[in-house]
Amino acid sequence: QTVVTQEPSFSVSPGETVTLTCGLTSGSVSSSYYPSWYQQTPGHSPRTLIYNTNTRSSGVPDRFSGSILGSKAALTITGAQADDESDYYCLLYMGSGLWVLGGGTKVTVL
Amino acid sequence: QLQLQESGPGLVKPSETLSLACTVSGGSMTTTGYYWGWIRQPPGKGLEWIGSVHHSGNTYYNPSLRSRVSMSVDTSKREFSLKLNSVTAADTAVYYCAKTQSWFDSWGQGTLVTVSS
Repeated sequence: QTVVTQEPSFSVSPGETVTLTCGLTSGSVSSSYYPSWYQQTPGHSPRTLIYNTNTRSSGVPDRFSGSILGSKAALTITGAQADDESDYYCLLYMGSGLWVLGGGTKVTVL
Repeated sequence: QLQLQESGPGLVKPSETLSLACTVSGGSMTTTGYYWGWIRQPPGKGLEWIGSVHHSGNTYYNPSLRSRVSMSVDTSKREFSLKLNSVTAADTAVYYCAKTQSWFDSWGQGTLVTVSS
């Protein structure tokens, strides 16, 4: 069974940079998995931030960026702001009509 | 701009079938490469992809739910639907619909379904 791994939590100070990662329990993540990232605050629907590894969705600030770092997909928040405090989920497309979500990372800005 | 809206009962009894619909407005359902998906989130937990359906009727399900899930699409009504049978309390969740490509976008607002007698 394919499991997508994410850090459970991260704490960052305002203005700092944080990089969240998205990996696989078996194998490496590449652009072939079309990694995407979603931001969710309590009581709201997820918001699409990044798709196809590094394409920002419409209206997403450029402090959010996506990449492949080593064997994982990564979401970097450069200059974190208070309203970036959210849960972040990654999604991988495994092919053959199978999508797998990571367990999410809770980011605290303090 | 594409908008999606979930609808259906908010309370389902254990062992019965959960049925939800998602109405699509503001865009085509038959654009090449578009799928239509369901994702759920139990209270206080993470997101789980349930499955996706193509406008051709082809379906793709999460292996962990495949035995209990069915999805369909009716482009004339501009909607697609989810059925999950033999529900238990573990199926209590907010259910979201979303346009699916290799990623999810145009999410619905979500609807809470509680499984309880």
